[in-house]
Amino acid sequence: GIQVEQSPPDLILQEGANSTLRCNFSDSVNNLQWFHQNPWGQLINLFYIPSGTKQNGRLSATTVATERYSLLYISSSQTTDSGVYFCAVVGNDKIIFGKGTRLHILP
Amino acid sequence: NAGVTQTPKFRILKIGQSMTLQCAQDMNHNYMYWYRQDPGMGLKLIYYSVGAGITDKGEVPNGYNVSRSTTEDFPLRLELAAPSQTSVYFCASSYADLLSPLHFGNGTRLTVT
Repeated sequence: GIQVEQSPPDLILQEGANSTLRCNFSDSVNNLQWFHQNPWGQLINLFYIPSGTKQNGRLSATTVATERYSLLYISSSQTTDSGVYFCAVVGNDKIIFGKGTRLHILP
Repeated sequence: NAGVTQTPKFRILKIGQSMTLQCAQDMNHNYMYWYRQDPGMGLKLIYYSVGAGITDKGEVPNGYNVSRSTTEDFPLRLELAAPSQTSVYFCASSYADLLSPLHFGNGTRLTVT
């Protein structure tokens, strides 16, 4: 089956720093989504991005489907950005989640 | 719109007890899903439904049952609770198919002792 790998697994940054989270997938996929799980456990859909680049405020995402990766950029990090970021892909009629990147923003 | 609503938020069960986790969505979504998330791990699909009356197994269906009698509701049943079912359970929905954006409920934290 399709493998989804996220890196880094953990990231600690000072408030105000920028970060790049990566999602690699092992085969062709039909879709890719990025989610943020906040410290209270809620899962929020950030981007629906099968290809190309999207931006939403301080967050942006780029998916290069032909090279099988997606990047999530967070600029000027805030403590509210802390949590776990998951990518999920659709391939072979299944939605497959990565194990996530745990981000901790220090005040 | 409330989105995806899960109840209860927390529950403690004794081994062997049964319970139903409720999930309802008011977005007229066709697809609904149940996931479990173990500590420090990603999400694993338990069951999913592509529409009323249709359900199918995911990666980890053993010990669970589901039904989908209406478009809005997708309850998850645990018949004989086991400690291995201690987890956080998330219900999700999407409008048309697997390619539509997923919307999650706030989760149910279940402990089996």
